[in-house]
Amino acid sequence: AQKVTQAQTEISVVEKEDVTLDCVYETRDTTYYLFWYKQPPSGELVFLIRRNSFDEQNEISGRYSWNFQKSTSSFNFTITASQVVDSAVYFCALSEFTGNQFYFGTGTSLTVIP
Amino acid sequence: DTGVSQDPRHKITKRGQNVTFRCDPISEHNRLYWYRQTLGQGPEFLTYFQNEAQLEKSRLLSDRFSAERPKGSFSTLEIQRTEQGDSAMYLCASGQVGGVNNEQFFGPGTRLTVL
Repeated sequence: AQKVTQAQTEISVVEKEDVTLDCVYETRDTTYYLFWYKQPPSGELVFLIRRNSFDEQNEISGRYSWNFQKSTSSFNFTITASQVVDSAVYFCALSEFTGNQFYFGTGTSLTVIP
Repeated sequence: DTGVSQDPRHKITKRGQNVTFRCDPISEHNRLYWYRQTLGQGPEFLTYFQNEAQLEKSRLLSDRFSAERPKGSFSTLEIQRTEQGDSAMYLCASGQVGGVNNEQFFGPGTRLTVL
């Protein structure tokens, strides 16, 4: 069965600290996509990144970086030098390669304290 | 604004009433998805369309839920005989086949409260 687990329900960090959000997934598919979305207090989901299953190269975008490890079925997200504006709920998601279905984790609520 | 739009943004109804929500996707997108999100949970996939064809509906929550996309543009989600458990945020997203690897763009959602 397809499943995404975000074990961290809530995380609080002080501004400028680094923080890593964990994501573990389960799938029977050999090809699939993984995503991270941000949901700020305003409520609208914002796409952050997509990774396909045959590309395990880590990615960095500004203060954001993602570590994809197929061997452990994990797709972790790190924010470096966190800022108050990073406070939001972050969702990890998995989709079939065809894009027919998406599976979201339960989210991690991040609070960055000034 | 060329993003995904949803109408209404908020809906309060009495138990047993029918409600219909509308989603207007990004114009060039041929895929449209509906999700439900309850408090403290991630979005729960309900159904999706490619153009006007509903390609996946097995995860609609019950036969009280139905969705249409008659002309392959906007879509409607209807809930018949609403129950208090239907109270949630209903999200719509659109995407493009062959686009940026299954990226979905989400709308602001319709918050449903069933009294």
